[in-house]
Amino acid sequence: NAGVTQTPKFQVLKTGQSMTLQCAQDMNHEYMSWYRQDPGMGLRLIHYSVGAGITDQGEVPNGYNVSRSTTEDFPLRLLSAAPSQTSVYFCASSAQDRGNTEAFFGQGTRLTVV
Amino acid sequence: AQTVTQSQPEMSVQEAETVTLSCTYDTSESDYYLFWYKQPPSRQMILVIRQEAYKQQNATENRFSVNFQKAAKSFSLKISDSQLGDAAMYFCAYKVRSGYALNFGKGTSLLVTP
Repeated sequence: NAGVTQTPKFQVLKTGQSMTLQCAQDMNHEYMSWYRQDPGMGLRLIHYSVGAGITDQGEVPNGYNVSRSTTEDFPLRLLSAAPSQTSVYFCASSAQDRGNTEAFFGQGTRLTVV
Repeated sequence: AQTVTQSQPEMSVQEAETVTLSCTYDTSESDYYLFWYKQPPSRQMILVIRQEAYKQQNATENRFSVNFQKAAKSFSLKISDSQLGDAAMYFCAYKVRSGYALNFGKGTSLLVTP
């Protein structure tokens, strides 16, 4: 099983450029989310989706857009990259049972904005 | 808002010894779940162990066990017979049952020495 697939694994952007981080899961999970990981900060929630067509903001949503047109895909868009968005980004998915269900993570994207 | 605190940024343990990683959390909820995730240098987030708040019995997974003190809002991870492969960043995480998102602590970096 592929699980959660993120692309690309590494990316360097110039300030002001835009890009989309891709996330796809093949487990038919309803819930998908994006986190960013910064040194000494743990993982912080950017945006999440509870199903196709439904998205909402997390703790640190500024500068990012998301959409969920299918159950499988949940792309994260950086509209105008800034050095403060240099981070490691993780996509995660889990099933509809919101209780004890394990969250499955992609392998992360290391993004550097110069 | 729920917060998760890991007070030990770094810990060190000798191979075959036992180490305990600390985690405390703050919540007004009564029904929630707690997790420990391991992140090795590969960046992959791996679920180590989970605990349901309504269960009094501490969870155990092979060499990994937790000490869950609900009244004290404490959730420590004990690793027995430490192995070199246990070296990683460990994150404590909390999720309220009625929600979707994981709230992460800032992590503890575990070094295992031969």
